[in-house]
Amino acid sequence: NAGVTQTPKFQVLKTGQSMTLQCAQDMNHNSMYWYRQDPGMGLRLIYYSASEGTTDKGEVPNGYNVSRLNKREFSLRLESAAPSQTSVYFCASSELGYGYTFGSGTRLTVV
Amino acid sequence: AQKITQTQPGMFVQEKEAVTLDCTYDTSDQSYGLFWYKQPSSGEMIFLIYQGSYDEQNATEGRYSLNFQKARKSANLVISASQLGDSAMYFCARPPAGNNRKLIWGLGTSLAVNP
Repeated sequence: NAGVTQTPKFQVLKTGQSMTLQCAQDMNHNSMYWYRQDPGMGLRLIYYSASEGTTDKGEVPNGYNVSRLNKREFSLRLESAAPSQTSVYFCASSELGYGYTFGSGTRLTVV
Repeated sequence: AQKITQTQPGMFVQEKEAVTLDCTYDTSDQSYGLFWYKQPSSGEMIFLIYQGSYDEQNATEGRYSLNFQKARKSANLVISASQLGDSAMYFCARPPAGNNRKLIWGLGTSLAVNP
């Protein structure tokens, strides 16, 4: 099925460990995004990529890095995980800002 | 700053009844759009409906419709004939001024449909 695929779905990390969240879309969208969702905070944009080869910071970029590997793939890296990064992470893609499609989310716990 | 406000943290509705979820927004733009998304307990974000500010008629998608009142800067979601599967979080969102790629999100409304 066409859509946005995120891996992994669940992850537990120890403080200081690193990991990469993978995201791929097969809708030929130019724009891709990483959000985090925390209780009472709604969705907050971490980074986005308006098109292949470009990335920009969102509201809460500290502690994260991203790579737009190609048009399909946009990864999010935590270099040194902290408990404050415990959250649910969503990848999304869109074309011209209309009709965002989301991945199923990654539930990350940092202990 | 651009802002989306959803004033109802939680709502209850009886099965088969209609319910309205509120959304108000700040903007000085002439042209903009509003989205609504549903997030069931399983966690995925599901696109429901979209309306642009220049659309003359309120958008409708099946049992979902948008009550769009530009003068009041509100874009309320109306769900008709509620079903148990409508129990979920509902989020309103819009692109900020000058950048149609980044959505601004409300904090959501939790809807519970009672049998």
